[in-house]
Amino acid sequence: SQQGEEDPQALSIQEGENATMNCSYKTSINNLQWYRQNSGRGLVHLILIRSNEREKHSGRLRVTLDTSKKSSSLLITASRAADTASYFCATVNTNAGKSTFGDGTTLTVKP
Amino acid sequence: EPEVTQTPSHQVTQMGQEVILRCVPISNHLYFYWYRQILGQKVEFLVSFYNNEISEKSEIFDDQFSVERPDGSNFTLKIRSTKLEDSAMYFCASSRGTYNSPLHFGNGTRLTVT
Repeated sequence: SQQGEEDPQALSIQEGENATMNCSYKTSINNLQWYRQNSGRGLVHLILIRSNEREKHSGRLRVTLDTSKKSSSLLITASRAADTASYFCATVNTNAGKSTFGDGTTLTVKP
Repeated sequence: EPEVTQTPSHQVTQMGQEVILRCVPISNHLYFYWYRQILGQKVEFLVSFYNNEISEKSEIFDDQFSVERPDGSNFTLKIRSTKLEDSAMYFCASSRGTYNSPLHFGNGTRLTVT
């Protein structure tokens, strides 16, 4: 298995519902980051959670980190059609700052 | 807001040709990266660059690949002899620091090798 695996691979919800995506990883990390990618575009950083943090909020985003289970979740509350995108977790565990990305979750929010 | 810019947005080349992908990172950033994403697959790390030298590289980044920061603003990725399997989106990213700094990505160059 690869470092940083997201679950589910695809998620389809109605506008206004909450979306939860999970990420599992295998090695120890410095931090874990979530990125969003609109089709054909670059990745946009959403939120970073350090290895000594358990939960972080940013607007409608809530990220949790469980280092004992080597897993993280991203919750998007009150989703909007504009949230439709692919979401990737990325782990950083080297001094060079190399980020290792997961396979991503494709989120579709229907208006 | 400052952003990472990449040119060209799309490059078509024939197998065996050399290509240079160009990036202008954010001006006060110190760390630079190249990633690639084959269509429908995950984003893969290629190389990180700091203080005018490679910090880390992946197995993908073999002798056919090289990076350069020829002046104070550009950061380039060269593929000497392209193969069909090099077809992918290539993303440049930069960050202010290392592991606790987020990456800022450009919009990518779509490389098509025919």
